[in-house]
Amino acid sequence: DVKVTQSSRYLVKRTGEKVFLECVQDMDHENMFWYRQDPGLGLRLIYFSYDVKMKEKGDIPEGYSVSREKKERFSLILESASTNQTSMYLCASSRTSSAQPQHFGDGTRLSIL
Amino acid sequence: SQQGEEDPQALSIQEGENATMNCSYKTSINNLQWYRQNSGRGLVHLILIRSNEREKHSGRLRVTLDTSKKSSSLLITASRAADTASYFCATGPRTEGEAAGNKLTFGGGTRVLVKP
Repeated sequence: DVKVTQSSRYLVKRTGEKVFLECVQDMDHENMFWYRQDPGLGLRLIYFSYDVKMKEKGDIPEGYSVSREKKERFSLILESASTNQTSMYLCASSRTSSAQPQHFGDGTRLSIL
Repeated sequence: SQQGEEDPQALSIQEGENATMNCSYKTSINNLQWYRQNSGRGLVHLILIRSNEREKHSGRLRVTLDTSKKSSSLLITASRAADTASYFCATGPRTEGEAAGNKLTFGGGTRVLVKP
């Protein structure tokens, strides 16, 4: 069965810290995505990657970076965490061919104090 | 910006009733997908309908797509308490590039409460 695993369900960090969110998928999917979900705003795409070492900015990349050194792992990095980055972060993966569903992890609820 | 807008934002029904929610979008699409999210969890894919399809069924789910009106509906028949969740539509763009075509744009969701 398809599985996307996010390293933490809950995380509390301090303003200014460098924060790493990790995501691993076991389906050999080419595409991986990072979203943030906020009440009333739905899911917004931060970054996505369509291959190892390849990345594209989503709708809200400011304040974030990503790393994809291996096909199964996609990391989201908050370079200097700020309180407005408190949110639910969701990772997803999918195949490349046309019209594919995305498979999601259970999310990381990140609080920046 | 949100491509899909769900309506209503919230829905409360009794167990056994049908639940209908709608999604409108703005630009041309390749496909439209519906997802469910239980509280505090990730999204689960329910059903995908391509732009050349008008209706699709999966168990108690029925999805319609009207590309002329840029809208879709999700019907859950004979609802159960376990159907309590948020439901999201997501659109996949019609685009030349294969990588860009795998991006989805999500709407704000409909919160459904099924009372026993």
